[in-house]
Amino acid sequence: GQNIDQPTEMTATEGAIVQINCTYQTSGFNGLFWYQQHAGEAPTFLSYNVLDGLEEKGRFSSFLSRSKGYSYLLLKELQMKDSASYLCAVRTDSWGKLQFGAGTQVVVTP
Amino acid sequence: DVKVTQSSRYLVKRTGEKVFLECVQDMDHENMFWYRQDPGLGLRLIYFSYDVKMKEKGDIPEGYSVSREKKERFSLILESASTNQTSMYLCASSSGGASIYTFGSGTRLTVV
Repeated sequence: GQNIDQPTEMTATEGAIVQINCTYQTSGFNGLFWYQQHAGEAPTFLSYNVLDGLEEKGRFSSFLSRSKGYSYLLLKELQMKDSASYLCAVRTDSWGKLQFGAGTQVVVTP
Repeated sequence: DVKVTQSSRYLVKRTGEKVFLECVQDMDHENMFWYRQDPGLGLRLIYFSYDVKMKEKGDIPEGYSVSREKKERFSLILESASTNQTSMYLCASSSGGASIYTFGSGTRLTVV
């Protein structure tokens, strides 16, 4: 079966750092993706890891450890507009099918 | 601006009705997907297609079917709508093996 776990909700202050963890157990693994979804909107792509290590993209970084079945998304210098749901997803085949976690709601407070 | 367009933003249907949800993409993508999104459950894959005329079942295909007669269009069909199919339905497309999905805006379907 497929199991992708991430915390339900996290709260942080504007300007701070938040780390969203994601653990996975899937029948196949071909990459790990992070998407951002604001309330009432469609998810948008944030980052992608296929090899172990850290990928940095501006204020956002994503880390992968395939041996541990673990990833995290790091959001630095939090802004109010970062309040959203963050979805962890695993590509389980070579064609592009993604399995998603339930999402982590990040609330940024002033 | 590249787009995935879903025909309706909000839809209310009666139990037992046949419901068609349409999705059109203008990016010449090979892959198209239908997910439903429910609170606490995240996005669950209903059906997907990697080519015209091709369709594969996802994790929760029961009560649904799909059609892909043209590359740009992927339709989701609820054969006989039931209240447990009340949900947000999201269509996505991607190119080849890359999985950078572009999502449509979603259709919030309520079955009464």
